Amino acid sequence: NAGVTQTPKFQVLKTGQSMTLQCAQDMNHNSMYWYRQDPGMGLRLIYYSASEGTTDKGEVPNGYNVSRLNKREFSLRLESAAPSQTSVYFCASIGTLGEKLFFGSGTQLSVL
Amino acid sequence: QKEVEQNSGPLSVPEGAIASLNCTYSDRGSQSFFWYRQYSGKSPELIMFIYSNGDKEDGRFTAQLNKASQYVSLLIRDSQPSDSATYLCAANTGGFKTIFGAGTRLFVKA
Repeated sequence: NAGVTQTPKFQVLKTGQSMTLQCAQDMNHNSMYWYRQDPGMGLRLIYYSASEGTTDKGEVPNGYNVSRLNKREFSLRLESAAPSQTSVYFCASIGTLGEKLFFGSGTQLSVL
Repeated sequence: QKEVEQNSGPLSVPEGAIASLNCTYSDRGSQSFFWYRQYSGKSPELIMFIYSNGDKEDGRFTAQLNKASQYVSLLIRDSQPSDSATYLCAANTGGFKTIFGAGTRLFVKA
């Protein structure tokens, strides 16, 4: 029972490089989320997808793009990484009842 | 102003005491509220969720919701050192958009 799988677990980028964080869930959930977590800031919502084919901005969308590839997969892309994007990124999904977010294990991203 | 506000702490309580964690939210349209626990270096895990005004109890945990005051709280009875973690309050602000507070760090002293 994999749940929510994120890749990679760790990544180091240079300023200006691009990369895509991958996320997949096997629970047939409709809604998926990308959060970032910085010390003392809690989880801040970057983008979310309420259902397949839709995406919406969250609290801190600037510098990011997302793709809801299908019901299972929701990717986060950094087109030109900046040091301010150094953070831990969590992908999550939630079922139709909205009772619980299921989180991936996180991606530690450092931008030098 | 963040949509969900928490005191960042740290909150320190002795073992066996009651820990009280508080949260306020700004969007009156928020329908459901959650408390997640996060250990250092780990993903958040759900402790409680509450939809209706009043109290909801689950073991040592009690969640309280007051929609008129836009206030949510979590009480942890008989606190244990293993309860030491960051507690995140979250609100579903509609359309499955879920916003978190900054979290409160709790230390339970043995």
